Amino acid sequence: SQTIHQWPATLVQPVGSPLSLECTVEGTSNPNLYWYRQAAGRGLQLLFYSVGIGQISSEVPQNLSASRPQDRQFILSSKKLLLSDSGFYLCAWTARQAFQETQYFGPGTRLLVL
Amino acid sequence: GEDVEQSLFLSVREGDSSVINCTYTDSSSTYLYWYKQEPGAGLQLLTYIFSNMDMKQDQRLTVLLNKKDKHLSLRIADTQTGDSAIYFCAEYTGTASKLTFGTGTRLQVTL
Repeated sequence: SQTIHQWPATLVQPVGSPLSLECTVEGTSNPNLYWYRQAAGRGLQLLFYSVGIGQISSEVPQNLSASRPQDRQFILSSKKLLLSDSGFYLCAWTARQAFQETQYFGPGTRLLVL
Repeated sequence: GEDVEQSLFLSVREGDSSVINCTYTDSSSTYLYWYKQEPGAGLQLLTYIFSNMDMKQDQRLTVLLNKKDKHLSLRIADTQTGDSAIYFCAEYTGTASKLTFGTGTRLQVTL
């Protein structure tokens, strides 16, 4: 069966510090991968998605970046965090099937920037 | 941009039925989803419906789809305290490998 992991679960970082959040998927190959952010009390905002190694699409301009160094690894990074980067970051994957995009979510990383 | 709209909050008594509504944006959406998010957790897929269906039932869950009005609903029968969560609808249009999520409805179940 497929599982998706996110690390770390919780992170407290000072403003201006760098960020690296990791997402890995097991039990599948060649998935589409997604990073979402959920601000407190709000809905999901799609940040990045990737359909393959080295292929990243950005949805919103921001000081975050994403990379996919391996087929089942998706990394969210920042060189300098802002207060507004605080939130709950969710990684998701989907198998590539025609006409269906059921996304399965990881447990999330809660980021607090102080 | 276009938004998938949901009511922000719904409160029901334990044992009653809950109905969570969603208005989506694209009449060509092929799949529509309902996800559940418990506090501090990721999203859990509850159910989905294909656009050529108008109803799908899965145990206590009933999904109704009105394509003409682009309206999707999730009915939870015999609502329990464990159903308290945020519920998101989402649509997939078959383009750009993306889902568009609604704003989420917080369901509160009271005793």
